[in-house]
Amino acid sequence: AQRVTQPEKLLSVFKGAPVELKCNYSYSGSPELFWYVQYSRQRLQLLLRHISRESIKGFTADLNKGETSFHLKKPFAQEEDSAMYYCALSGPTTSGSRLTFGEGTQLTVNP
Amino acid sequence: ETGVTQSPTHLIKTRGQQVTLRCSSQSGHNTVSWYQQALGQGPQFIFQYYREEENGRGNFPPRFSGLQFPNYSSELNVNALELDDSALYLCASSLRGRSYNEQFFGPGTRLTVL
Repeated sequence: AQRVTQPEKLLSVFKGAPVELKCNYSYSGSPELFWYVQYSRQRLQLLLRHISRESIKGFTADLNKGETSFHLKKPFAQEEDSAMYYCALSGPTTSGSRLTFGEGTQLTVNP
Repeated sequence: ETGVTQSPTHLIKTRGQQVTLRCSSQSGHNTVSWYQQALGQGPQFIFQYYREEENGRGNFPPRFSGLQFPNYSSELNVNALELDDSALYLCASSLRGRSYNEQFFGPGTRLTVL
């Protein structure tokens, strides 16, 4: 069974401080890992995916298969980063399989 | 490019009733997935439709059913509503066959069961 765990429901940091949102997963195979973000009064949207290895809005995430983690990091948080963040896992990429989400972390960046 | 749309926005039903939620997928997409998001929880996969057939199902009872139409729009039907069915229902569309499974979400339908 596939499972995603986000240990922190709430995370509060000050503007300019580093931020790390934790995500651990369990999956027997090669998963696709994603971070989705939901800003206030907006729909859920993809932030980044591990296969692209890109930085979006200053955020990066590295897949650590040994620790089964996919933590989201940003060196200098901005107030506009305040949002709900969901880590998600998907099975085989070409089969149109389901996304399994964690419970989410509400990030608040204080001025 | 038209994004994913869902209707209605809000809905109030009573226990035992039936409800139908609708979703129009993003232009060019051929796969629709439905998720249930209870308050304070992450979205939970209900099922997925591809080529008008169910293509994977989560841990939901048979009273949750769906349809996909030739234009790739979709419906989620829930029979014999229970209080615990109160949630935000999200529809997501994607293009099967791409190198990654990016799903685009609609704004959701908020269902309240009294």
